[in-house]
Amino acid sequence: GESVGLHLPTLSVQEGDNSIINCAYSNSASDYFIWYKQESGKGPQFIIDIRSNMDKRQGQRVTVLLNKTVKHLSLQIAATQPGDSAVYFCAENSKAAGNKLTFGGGTRVLVKP
Amino acid sequence: NAGVMQNPRHLVRRRGQEARLRCSPMKGHSHVYWYRQLPEEGLKFMVYLQKENIIDESGMPKERFSAEFPKEGPSILRIQQVVRGDSAAYFCASSPGLASTGELFFGEGSRLTVL
Repeated sequence: GESVGLHLPTLSVQEGDNSIINCAYSNSASDYFIWYKQESGKGPQFIIDIRSNMDKRQGQRVTVLLNKTVKHLSLQIAATQPGDSAVYFCAENSKAAGNKLTFGGGTRVLVKP
Repeated sequence: NAGVMQNPRHLVRRRGQEARLRCSPMKGHSHVYWYRQLPEEGLKFMVYLQKENIIDESGMPKERFSAEFPKEGPSILRIQQVVRGDSAAYFCASSPGLASTGELFFGEGSRLTVL
């Protein structure tokens, strides 16, 4: 029979506000955690990554926080813009697994003008 | 510097036909990964290849699916005797190797529709 996928959780944000996207990961042995952005009809684009021995990393308008105690990762986007509307995926990576990225389920961000 | 190139971008096949999806990695990258994405879902790992070697095919269905990355030319994901459940977007990614940070560079995907 036909399989039905789960609908992605959606975060609606007013333009100019900050966005926080959360992700729970499973493998405590992961070396890197990466956030990807996927726009409709396109491939995932790298946003920012963080090593497992760090707890915070900042980029341009984005900050990633890593809490290894509770296996939680978050992406903060400052001053969200219409171009930030996309699906955001967290991914974990382990060199022991051959750099094979394991993706989370994704969050859709909709920016309201 | 061209990114990861995938073709075709869109492919329509009837049940029972074969689908071949091609991926040229970024220049200088020797590691290729294939992922599958169903609508409204995340990307699922299928197979990881280096030139002429399959390193990890733990995510690939045992039947009908095969992948190769020859010494010369693109990596190819081949699906034989396609069924409707094979309809999905197939993404290829590449990396320079294990010494990298772990970031994978993705292509724009090949969208397979099985009628």
